[in-house]
Amino acid sequence: DGGITQSPKYLFRKEGQNVTLSCEQNLNHDAMYWYRQDPGQGLRLIYYSQIVNDFQKGDIAEGYSVSREKKESFPLTVTSAQKNPTAFYLCAVGAASDYNEQFFGPGTRLTVL
Amino acid sequence: GQNIDQPTEMTATEGAIVQINCTYQTSGFNGLFWYQQHAGEAPTFLSYNVLDGLEEKGRFSSFLSRSKGYSYLLLKELQMKDSASYLCAVMDSNYQLIWGAGTKLIIKP
Repeated sequence: DGGITQSPKYLFRKEGQNVTLSCEQNLNHDAMYWYRQDPGQGLRLIYYSQIVNDFQKGDIAEGYSVSREKKESFPLTVTSAQKNPTAFYLCAVGAASDYNEQFFGPGTRLTVL
Repeated sequence: GQNIDQPTEMTATEGAIVQINCTYQTSGFNGLFWYQQHAGEAPTFLSYNVLDGLEEKGRFSSFLSRSKGYSYLLLKELQMKDSASYLCAVMDSNYQLIWGAGTKLIIKP
């Protein structure tokens, strides 16, 4: 079954706890992205990676960390330093080329209590 | 700075036609994308324009004018399932997507 998987769909955490969101893909795409979506706002880029063992900060990287140890996986950690972590988190993949249509996973809705 | 503007919300009638506009100011331009997003779900790709003109794909068409920094998405023969948010995104000079806030389209019977 091909595609992008994010789990879980819904995640609840207590304030002050770190939490890691998973993103796995078997589409063999080089580039992977993490976005955050808040009501009434566009998607905002947190981190992206165009190749294994390399990643770049997006517009709102503070309070987040990532790793890219293998092509298929790009986990995102939401740390306690992120002031407003409650949001809908979307992982996307795309070709690391000049035509960059992005394909999205189903998303994880994180609620910090 | 980089900016993409879309109307926040639009309402249309089932069976009618609706045009959703998008204007942009970005650092460079390497194409414009339209995505559809149903509530609580991931965005799905609708169209891509990199040259001026109209791209037609079934009931959906997308238009681009690079000189005006303007695009629109045209939806014909509206169906209830078309109720969703429509996101405009521009690829900038660094090949990163800059996203608009989306237009929520409400279809009434």
